[in-house]
Parts: sequence; structure tokens; C-alpha cells
Amino acid sequence: DAGVIQSPRHEVTEMGQEVTLRCKPISGHNSLFWYRQTMMRGLELLIYFNNNVPIDDSGMPEDRFSAKMPNASFSTLKIQPSEPRDSAVYFCASSLRGGTGNTIYFGEGSWLTVV
Amino acid sequence: DQQVKQNSPSLSVQEGRISILNCDYTNSMFDYFLWYKKYPAEGPTFLISISSIKDKNEDGRFTVFLNKSAKHLSLHIVPSQPGDSAVYFCAAIIQGAQKLVFGQGTRLTINP
Repeated sequence: DAGVIQSPRHEVTEMGQEVTLRCKPISGHNSLFWYRQTMMRGLELLIYFNNNVPIDDSGMPEDRFSAKMPNASFSTLKIQPSEPRDSAVYFCASSLRGGTGNTIYFGEGSWLTVV
Repeated sequence: DQQVKQNSPSLSVQEGRISILNCDYTNSMFDYFLWYKKYPAEGPTFLISISSIKDKNEDGRFTVFLNKSAKHLSLHIVPSQPGDSAVYFCAAIIQGAQKLVFGQGTRLTINP
């Protein structure tokens, strides 16, 4: 079975450039989460969607970050303009709504480096 | 404000011995707790969980203990094996909600 698929796996970009990270959730899952991993704060929830609708974006650090889910099988996280402090690993995860955390499945992550 | 804290960034244990990873939380509304394991270049995967109505849950070599009064939980791995070397994340959630709150992670290294 295909898990959560993220692309790109690695991205190196210059400060000021736009970055778009992509995610394909597990088929049949109706909740999608974007997390960011840093050394200092661990895994932080940025935003999550239920049935393609954004439910809570309180974790999005600032207006430079935006996320969309145009359909049940695709989501994007965009950073515009990017800054060096955005360098981190960004994880997408999906689940069936109603799960208790043990049913959340993570992708392999997108490693972003902004120079 | 970090609602879930793992104060040890790293831990090194001899193969065959017990590994104990610790986690503290501040939000008394959390009622379900989980441990995730993460290998390099992979996403986190669920390991074991515990509900707040219990104080212990065991699954093979892995046991999670919960002390609600101290707002503390721990993961015990006995005996530790080289394949256990990974980053371990503690997480907490309010059941019925969807926001899984993670700690900073602890890197566990099992030495042969």
C-alpha cells in the first residue's frame, strides 16, 4: 500500500524564493496535517484539514506560509518569500478522522534548506 | 510555550540494558499519550500509547508509564537492541480533538 507521499524530498533554495511542498495523503484518509521539525521545538503542527477544509492554522508561523488542499488527494504548503530560518524538515501526515493519534501516518518528509 | 517537553536531547545505552525515555506535559486536558519512533530520512511511526485512565501499558519490550499527578510519562525499552537506535517523540492529545502535540524528541543510541 502506498503511504503518504511527499515531494520534493530535498530542496535547497535561495532566500526570497518561493518554495512549494507537495503531499499526497493515503487514499481514503480524510484528515491531512502539515508538521515542521526543528531541533529546538521538535515536531510542530502547522495546519490541518478535514475533508479538504482547513480547520486549524494557528501553527502557521506567519503570512509567508500558506497551505491548500484543492482535493482529497493533494495538498501544498507554500512559503513565499522563504527565509533561512525556514530551514527544517516538513512532514505531511494523514489519518481517518476520529483516530486518536495512533492512526496518523507520516510521509518521509521534505528537507528544506534556505541559503 | 512547549506543552510537551522532552528534556534529554540524547541518551546512550548499552545493548541488553534498559532504556528509559522521559516526557513531561503541562496541559492537564491531555488524556491520551503516545510515543513515536523516527529513523533517519523517514517519517515518525507510531510505537505505543496510553490512555489517562491507565498508568501502564505494555507491548513486548516496550512499556509506557503515566504519572498523571506529576504530568510525566516514560517509555521503557527492555532489553535494548541496536535496532532501537532512533529519535523518540513523546506526543499528547485531547481525545476527540485532532491536534497531536509533540515534544522535541530524544535521540537514543544503543551501543553494542
